[in-house]
Amino acid sequence: RKEVEQDPGPFNVPEGATVAFNCTYSNSASQSFFWYRQDCRKEPKLLMSVYSSGNEDGRFTAQLNRASQYISLLIRDSKLSDSATYLCVVRPMEYGNKLVFGAGTILRVKS
Amino acid sequence: NAGVTQTPKFQVLKTGQSMTLQCAQDMNHNSMYWYRQDPGMGLRLIYYSASEGTTDKGEVPNGYNVSRLNKREFSLRLESAAPSQTSVYFCASTEGGDVRAFFGQGTRLTVV
Repeated sequence: RKEVEQDPGPFNVPEGATVAFNCTYSNSASQSFFWYRQDCRKEPKLLMSVYSSGNEDGRFTAQLNRASQYISLLIRDSKLSDSATYLCVVRPMEYGNKLVFGAGTILRVKS
Repeated sequence: NAGVTQTPKFQVLKTGQSMTLQCAQDMNHNSMYWYRQDPGMGLRLIYYSASEGTTDKGEVPNGYNVSRLNKREFSLRLESAAPSQTSVYFCASTEGGDVRAFFGQGTRLTVV
């Protein structure tokens, strides 16, 4: 079983739609959680950290459910520019500062 | 502010050739990493360096060696390239108390 699993998609949505991605992780001792965004043929960049209480950044909302070991990302009012691959990232406690990446979920927003 | 710089951006090697991928960061970060990214596999850690003078194996270290030359630079060497090493390679760095990773632009390596 992969340490971090994501639905690869692609998710094809119209502009203005709300879309949600889920990610599950296997290591219950994981400490930190993130969503990264990766544009086609580019490097990953941090989108947002995920906190236990949930957090929001504009149109993006991230949630963490420790009991069920999953993380979610909700994007409201999708824009064409949101088209990218979204990577779920986890830092297991025993790994120090090492990060474990999911394979990513592809989002395509169409006009 | 350059951040993390990788060279080269593209490379084609013949099986058995060797090469070194260079990475440098100007953010004074302690930790540096080398990942490879293959379709459907996500980023997999090859080697990392928690601080200057230390290196450790990651998930897929076979066929690679690394050198943490100083705090700024972390190089990845392929001694005898194989087609299975065809991939996109990313270097990254983090500061100790902040595990947000900053990535270089990647090296697209093809081994024929």
